[in-house]
Amino acid sequence: DADVTQTPRNRITKTGKRIMLECSQTKGHDRMYWYRQDPGLGLRLIYYSFDVKDINKGEISDGYSVSRQAQAKFSLSLESAIPNQTALYFCATRDGARETQYFGPGTRLLVL
Amino acid sequence: AQSVTQPDIHITVSEGASLELRCNYSYGATPYLFWYVQSPGQGLQLLLKYFSGDTLVQGIKGFEAEFKRSQSSFNLRKPSVHWSDAAEYFCAVGEAAGNKLTFGGGTRVLVKP
Repeated sequence: DADVTQTPRNRITKTGKRIMLECSQTKGHDRMYWYRQDPGLGLRLIYYSFDVKDINKGEISDGYSVSRQAQAKFSLSLESAIPNQTALYFCATRDGARETQYFGPGTRLLVL
Repeated sequence: AQSVTQPDIHITVSEGASLELRCNYSYGATPYLFWYVQSPGQGLQLLLKYFSGDTLVQGIKGFEAEFKRSQSSFNLRKPSVHWSDAAEYFCAVGEAAGNKLTFGGGTRVLVKP
């Protein structure tokens, strides 16, 4: 399985602050994804990237931005955090051979 | 647009009893279907997937799922649950193999001793 790591695992911040969530993977997968999880809503796609130069908006990209610094790294930024961005955030990579996404352990974010 | 519905938010089952989790999807083409499990405080782990072929697919941890095109369903089953199966389960559909997944709202399973 893909080794997907996320930092930090937990974060508390205040309204209006800029924060960055980081994701790294060691399996060489080209495609990477950011999702947020809210109770009762499942996971919703924020952004996805097919490679370093190809970044696409997902279902709920407003208020977020991303950066694909390298094949292995995909960061999610909240430019000015607001309380309704409190959620559990997951990064995922896609194994093209197995046609399957693999998820990191998640970052729990609380915006006060 | 694709969508996934998991009608049951919570299910409580006794240890050793059978379990069935419902999943209905809406998708205009051949669906790529997945079931993931999220144990407390953990990320998502893939249980099984369906792309084509035999409509009954086997996964890890003794789970299986059946694809029924006529009912737009992909229900997950386990004949005998263990206390360690207590978790939240998510059904997902992909627009292409494993890409841009759309998730259902999840079903939380509680296992009674």
